[in-house]
Amino acid sequence: AQTVTQSQPEMSVQEAETVTLSCTYDTSESDYYLFWYKQPPSRQMILVIRQEAYKQQNATENRFSVNFQKAAKSFSLKISDSQLGDAAMYFCGILTGTYKYIFGTGTRLKVLA
Amino acid sequence: NAGVTQTPKFQVLKTGQSMTLQCAQDMNHNSMYWYRQDPGMGLRLIYYSASEGTTDKGEVPNGYNVSRLNKREFSLRLESAAPSQTSVYFCASRRTAGDNEQFFGPGTRLTVL
Repeated sequence: AQTVTQSQPEMSVQEAETVTLSCTYDTSESDYYLFWYKQPPSRQMILVIRQEAYKQQNATENRFSVNFQKAAKSFSLKISDSQLGDAAMYFCGILTGTYKYIFGTGTRLKVLA
Repeated sequence: NAGVTQTPKFQVLKTGQSMTLQCAQDMNHNSMYWYRQDPGMGLRLIYYSASEGTTDKGEVPNGYNVSRLNKREFSLRLESAAPSQTSVYFCASRRTAGDNEQFFGPGTRLTVL
């Protein structure tokens, strides 16, 4: 069975600073995708970044980047130059097989002005 | 282009009542999904439809039924609502099996008294 663990229920960061959200996963599959979704107070789920497991290079999307450690089964999200609009719930997840998406329990990020 | 739409946005039911949550997407996506989101539990997959005419159980299917009415629409039915089904329900769609990004609807907040 696949599992995704987000051990930080809540994090805070000062505006313009950098924060890292942790995520570990477990799967016996060799081919899978990892992703981070953002859920602001509007409840809308927004894809932040994704990573194919076969790619060694860490994915980057503007101020968002990941640290993918395949052997350690770790997939952390780094947010640089944090902005007030980054305040949200962040969900880490994995897609194995063709249709099986598993999400973590989420980390609530607060951005302090 | 509305993306993924869900109706209703809010609903209150009494125990034992039935209702159907509606979901539609206008992106010509092949697969569609229903999730429930509970505090501290993240998103859990209830059912999914890989393509028009097919449906499969996800992680938490008990107490629910689904219908893939056509390529655009995927409904979730609660035949006899229970307080344990109080949750926020999200519908999502995905273009093809080779495209791993899911697009989410705005969610339905359901309360069962």
